[in-house]
Amino acid sequence: GNSVTQMEGPVTLSEEAFLTINCTYTATGYPSLFWYVQYPGEGLQLLLKATKADDKGSNKGFEATYRKETTSFHLEKGSVQVSDSAVYFCALSDRGSSYKLIFGSGTRLLVRP
Amino acid sequence: DAGVTQSPTHLIKTRGQHVTLRCSPISGHKSVSWYQQVLGQGPQFIFQYYEKEERGRGNFPDRFSARQFPNYSSELNVNALLLGDSALYLCASNFLLGGLGENTEAFFGQGTRLTVV
Repeated sequence: GNSVTQMEGPVTLSEEAFLTINCTYTATGYPSLFWYVQYPGEGLQLLLKATKADDKGSNKGFEATYRKETTSFHLEKGSVQVSDSAVYFCALSDRGSSYKLIFGSGTRLLVRP
Repeated sequence: DAGVTQSPTHLIKTRGQHVTLRCSPISGHKSVSWYQQVLGQGPQFIFQYYEKEERGRGNFPDRFSARQFPNYSSELNVNALLLGDSALYLCASNFLLGGLGENTEAFFGQGTRLTVV
């Protein structure tokens, strides 16, 4: 079945450091890929998405590229801020069942001043 | 515009009891999905409803049930609560064309934190 694997955390960085959170997926067909962010005590917010191979999703300085050949969707940011501290979830949605999101286990990011 | 709203925000129940969680989708959204997020894990899909019909179900026991009302709001019911049901329950709404249309963004509510003691 479809699944998402992302790197375990926590990831601890100093402010202005470069961020990479790895995400790989297993899916039949051509899923859409998402990154969601969860701040403490809150629900999930969509950070970015990509719906087909080689698409790059971007938002708030974060980027991720849909790589079909490596089945990956790694999240990157060039310079993190303290306010980026949160839990990040990689997710996929099968084209034939767009209502169902399959999430990875989440990666906690802690950015220190 | 109001986002997805869930009630209550927090709930404490005793083992064996029943619980009902409520969700109001974004205006115009006819699809509602429910997810369970156990502490330290990613959300797991429970149900999806579209136009008041169940369109998908995750790997959860029959103790879990849901329904959608004519105004597209939804309830999630859990019977015979177990300690393992303690989790954050998230509701998400989508605008879907024809029920299974193009992938659209899922908007999540703040969740209901259920603690079973």
